[in-house]
Amino acid sequence: GENVEQHPSTLSVQEGDSAVIKCTYSDSASNYFPWYKQELGKRPQLIIDIRSNVGEKKDQRIAVTLNKTAKHFSLHITETQPEDSAVYFCAASRGYNNNDMRFGAGTRLTVKP
Amino acid sequence: DSGVTQTPKHLITATGQRVTLRCSPRSGDLSVYWYQQSLDQGLQFLIQYYNGEERAKGNILERFSAQQFPDLHSELNLSSLELGDSALYFCASSVHDYPQYFGPGTRLTVL
Repeated sequence: GENVEQHPSTLSVQEGDSAVIKCTYSDSASNYFPWYKQELGKRPQLIIDIRSNVGEKKDQRIAVTLNKTAKHFSLHITETQPEDSAVYFCAASRGYNNNDMRFGAGTRLTVKP
Repeated sequence: DSGVTQTPKHLITATGQRVTLRCSPRSGDLSVYWYQQSLDQGLQFLIQYYNGEERAKGNILERFSAQQFPDLHSELNLSSLELGDSALYFCASSVHDYPQYFGPGTRLTVL
């Protein structure tokens, strides 16, 4: 089955700096890669996702890149703000008829003001 | 608010007991997913239902079962509870397979 590894487990940046979180996956049939943000005690919230037919997607300060050959994808947050502090999870799944989504272990991001 | 609702918010029970967690998906969503989140395991996919039928199975124990009803709400049944079953249980829903929107979770404590 799918195995998703996420790095780093913790990340601390200064407000205004960029943050990058990386994930690798093992199942070459995976074609859907979402990123979730989870604040303490709250639900995971979808912040951006990418499908295997594109290499990059951007939404304001957040971008995700995907390298299918190397089986890795990354989350980039620019101009970080204290409210970006949370745990971020990457995930991968085959989707359609075989949606066994596997999550990375999470990255705790702290943005210092 | 994602539109996915879960009850109860908190549940405290004893080892050996059985509990039922309930999830109502967003209006129009046909798929329901169950996840377990514990401190040392991250988010673990348990099972997916699509329009009443089981679609995919993850790391769900035999002591756990789920179903999706004709009105599309879903229930997760946990039996013969053990201390290690203490966790946050999330339900998510989607129109088809993705994206998935999570509910607020049920925190289960087994004493």
